[in-house]
Amino acid sequence: SQKIEQNSEALNIQEGKTATLTCNYTNYSPAYLQWYRQDPGRGPVFLLLIRENEKEKRKERLKVTFDTTLKQSLFHITASQPADSATYLCALGNNAGNMLTFGGGTRLMVKP
Amino acid sequence: DGGITQSPKYLFRKEGQNVTLSCEQNLNHDAMYWYRQDPGQGLRLIYYSQIVNDFQKGDIAEGYSVSREKKESFPLTVTSAQKNPTAFYLCASSSTGLALYGYTFGSGTRLTVV
Repeated sequence: SQKIEQNSEALNIQEGKTATLTCNYTNYSPAYLQWYRQDPGRGPVFLLLIRENEKEKRKERLKVTFDTTLKQSLFHITASQPADSATYLCALGNNAGNMLTFGGGTRLMVKP
Repeated sequence: DGGITQSPKYLFRKEGQNVTLSCEQNLNHDAMYWYRQDPGQGLRLIYYSQIVNDFQKGDIAEGYSVSREKKESFPLTVTSAQKNPTAFYLCASSSTGLALYGYTFGSGTRLTVV
């Protein structure tokens, strides 16, 4: 069955450092991958989309890579700030595009 | 401002009671979705609808029902058949059924069985 794995343990980093979050998947051939940010008690907010034929995507301090051979996406936040503290979810979509399948999310804590 | 409104924010259900969660969007999105989120877990799809008067079961539809009589509205009913309904429920919409541009989520409804 399809499986999406994100590190369930919280990632703690110091302000100003680069945070790197991992999304691994098995038994899936996604056409695209999305990353969302979720704050406690709130709905997720869409951040970035990367397609299967794209290796890297950037948006301000965010960078996403997508390696379909390794079946892995990396999500980087450079020059991290305490305001970046949240849970980050990856989601995969197929060619039919009818719906997304979400990972369990990784909680990021940026300490001042 | 355009967006998705979920209500109520908190809901308490007694054993054996049906409750309905509201989801309204003014984004003119065609597709709408209901997800359930349990602590420390990912989002699990309950139902989705790509057009009015049509909807499909997701991975965990048992004990839930939906309707899509209007493009703007996609209410979710949690029936008494759902044995473990305590969770955080999220409604989402997208501009097409292809989800290529990201989902827009509501703020969620936290349902608790008392």
